[in-house]
Parts: sequence; structure tokens; C-alpha cells
Amino acid sequence: DAGVTQSPTHLIKTRGQQVTLRCSPKSGHDTVSWYQQALGQGPQFIFQYYEEEERQRGNFPDRFSGHQFPNYSSELNVNALLLGDSALYLCASSLPGYTEAFFGQGTRLTVV
Amino acid sequence: QKEVEQNSGPLSVPEGAIASLNCTYSDRGSQSFFWYRQYSGKSPELIMSIYSNGDKEDGRFTAQLNKASQYVSLLIRDSQPSDSATYLCAVSGYSSASKIIFGSGTRLSIRP
Repeated sequence: DAGVTQSPTHLIKTRGQQVTLRCSPKSGHDTVSWYQQALGQGPQFIFQYYEEEERQRGNFPDRFSGHQFPNYSSELNVNALLLGDSALYLCASSLPGYTEAFFGQGTRLTVV
Repeated sequence: QKEVEQNSGPLSVPEGAIASLNCTYSDRGSQSFFWYRQYSGKSPELIMSIYSNGDKEDGRFTAQLNKASQYVSLLIRDSQPSDSATYLCAVSGYSSASKIIFGSGTRLSIRP
């Protein structure tokens, strides 16, 4: 059984560019959450998707947007990249009705 | 005040000893409590979940919860060098719709 998978694993972008990160949840999981983890910090909640809708959102600007597809996979889009967007972006998925979340391996984004 | 607080460490423990990690949280409505282990450069791995007051044991790990004191702890018995990692405390609500809030993590080092 494949776990949560994310792509790409590493990415280098230039300030002002746009980026799309992808996530496939574990089999049977219907809820996908995205987190940003800066060096030395805990993961910060960006937003959560369920039934193809954004269900909750953390304190992130509108430059951060997402999507969930009918197969429960998800994308995170970030527009107008800033140097401060450099971080590890983590996707986590959950079973229906459960609070436990399981993380993918993450995407390391570097903005130069 | 941070929502989830942890001592950043590093906490240095001799091999074979008990490592004790602590966490406090501010939201009295929190219902789900987690410990994640994160190795350097990797994503967080869920190692313990606890939902009711008291102790929960799983192998060498024991999670302790005291909702009245808003306090969660993780004990690691017979500490091994492979336990050296950052341990993230996380709290959430009662349903899969609840976002998970993470502390900044405690860095644990097991010395031979």
C-alpha cells in the first residue's frame, strides 16, 4: 500500500514565478491538508481539502491556492513567489472521520 | 502565546536511559493529541496518538495526557541512537475537519 506521495521532491524557482506541487493521498483517505515548514519550525497549516472543496484555511495569503480532484489527489499552487516562501511543503492525508494525519515525503522549494 | 509550546532543546540523554519530552497547549477544546518524529531532512512520522487522560503505551513509547493541566508528554524508554530526531507535539479537534496545530519541536540527542 503506497503511502502519501508528493511530487516533485525538490524545486528551485525564481522570485515572482508560480509553482504547482502535487499530492496523492494514501489509499482510502479522503481528506488532504497542506503544511509549510520553515527550517527549525513546526509545520504551519495552509489549508485542507475535502470533497473537492477548501474546508479550512490557515493564515496564508491568497497567493496560496489549491485544488482537490475527484480521486482525492490535490495540488498546491503558489503565485508571485517570494524568497520567504522557501520551505518544505508537506501534504498529509486522513481517513474519513479520523483526526490522525499521515505525511508525504515533502517538496523542498527554494526561491532564488 | 503560542498554541502549542515545546522546549526546543537540544535534550541530551544517554543511551539506555528514559527520554522525557513535554508539551503544553492553549486551546481547552482540543481533543486529539499526537507525537510525530522527524529526522533531519525528512518529513514527520506519526508515532503516537492519544485522546483521553492518562497513559498510552506502544512498545518503548508512552504518551501521557492531562487535559486539566493542558499538558502532553512522551516518554521513550531504553533510548537508542536511532531515537535521535526532532519530536513534534501536535493537537487537533474531534473530527477529521479539524486542523492540526504543531509545536516547534524538541530536538533529542541520544549519546552512546
